[in-house]
Amino acid sequence: NAGVTQTPKFRVLKTGQSMTLLCAQDMNHEYMYWYRQDPGMGLRLIHYSVGEGTTAKGEVPDGYNVSRLKKQNFLLGLESAAPSQTSVYFCASSSLIKEETQYFGPGTRLLVL
Amino acid sequence: AQKITQTQPGMFVQEKEAVTLDCTYDTSDPSYGLFWYKQPSSGEMIFLIYQGSYDQQNATEGRYSLNFQKARKSANLVISASQLGDSAMYFCAMREFSTGNQFYFGTGTSLTVIP
Repeated sequence: NAGVTQTPKFRVLKTGQSMTLLCAQDMNHEYMYWYRQDPGMGLRLIHYSVGEGTTAKGEVPDGYNVSRLKKQNFLLGLESAAPSQTSVYFCASSSLIKEETQYFGPGTRLLVL
Repeated sequence: AQKITQTQPGMFVQEKEAVTLDCTYDTSDPSYGLFWYKQPSSGEMIFLIYQGSYDQQNATEGRYSLNFQKARKSANLVISASQLGDSAMYFCAMREFSTGNQFYFGTGTSLTVIP
């Protein structure tokens, strides 16, 4: 049981480049989330999904897009990366039955130059 | 206004002693949940404990307990019998149920357990 996995683990981008972060969970969870973690600011919710085919904005959605085409995957896209998007990105998932408990992936470190 | 406030950027505790990590929250939603997560230096986020706003009793999970004072809007984490492996960042978080799945995290407290 892998839990929540994230791909890639680390990435360097140039300003204006695009990329997609992949989150996958094998726990059949309904809810999935994308956060960013910046020094001194804790985690902030970017987007989330309450089920396949649905997404919603979190606290800091600007500059990001997401898709949940399959229940087990939640993709985070950066169409035109900016240095302000340098951060550590965490994906999490939770079940409908015990939705208060989120399981986190290991994180993706993104550096935008 | 900050939804979650953790005023202790760093804390030290002697091994085997108890320690309290402070957390206050701000919400007008009558239905909410409070969480604590641990983040070791390896980076992963580990769920520790949960308290619902309507729960009558304070939550406990092994050596972790949540001191929930609703009127004061505080949700302090108490770790009893500290171990060296407890050294980590600790984050308090809140979910407001009326806004769906919005989660808010505090800035964290770095705990160091001294042998």
